[in-house]
Amino acid sequence: EAGVAQSPRYKIIEKRQSVAFWCNPISGHATLYWYQQILGQGPKLLIQFQNNGVVDDSQLPKDRFSAERLKGVDSTLKIQPAKLEDSAVYLCASSLGTGGWEQYFGPGTRLTVT
Amino acid sequence: AQRVTQPEKLLSVFKGAPVELKCNYSYSGSPELFWYVQYSRQRLQLLLRHISRESIKGFTADLNKGETSFHLKKPFAQEEDSAMYYCARRIQGAQKLVFGQGTRLTINP
Repeated sequence: EAGVAQSPRYKIIEKRQSVAFWCNPISGHATLYWYQQILGQGPKLLIQFQNNGVVDDSQLPKDRFSAERLKGVDSTLKIQPAKLEDSAVYLCASSLGTGGWEQYFGPGTRLTVT
Repeated sequence: AQRVTQPEKLLSVFKGAPVELKCNYSYSGSPELFWYVQYSRQRLQLLLRHISRESIKGFTADLNKGETSFHLKKPFAQEEDSAMYYCARRIQGAQKLVFGQGTRLTINP
């Protein structure tokens, strides 16, 4: 089966600009996650969707980050305006559902904010 | 807070030697723990989970509630084991994972 797809793979922007990332989960997977992985650290969950509803966005900096999952399939994560500390790899993952299903990760988008 | 700690950022061993990657977690009820691995230029992927009590690619991990540890072990390291390894726990009552900082394992020939 096809894996989780993400685009773009790399993005370089200046601070205060905006950027958007796209994720297409594995077909049939109801749960979608966005993680932020800063260099030298493990992934940190930003937001979790169950179908098109938000389950957990407690660690999403809502003043500048937003995410949506229209129609319960693809998702976009946006940063506006970007700060230097947003430089990281943004990982998308999906799972069949909640309650112990394995999470499958995409290749990630490496964002550099200058 | 439900934390996961991997005390070693880097670990280097020779091929054929035993490997142990350490993972400690903050105690909180019944933890559900995992090891994820990321090989060079590949995606992060699940290696094993404690509830399965399985051996994957020769690796095993035992949950020690007394020591709040979930160390990953392999008796004889192979060069293809070189990778980044992350310990993670599922937060009770939720689906989300909390990851440790990761350990970069290098197997020297």
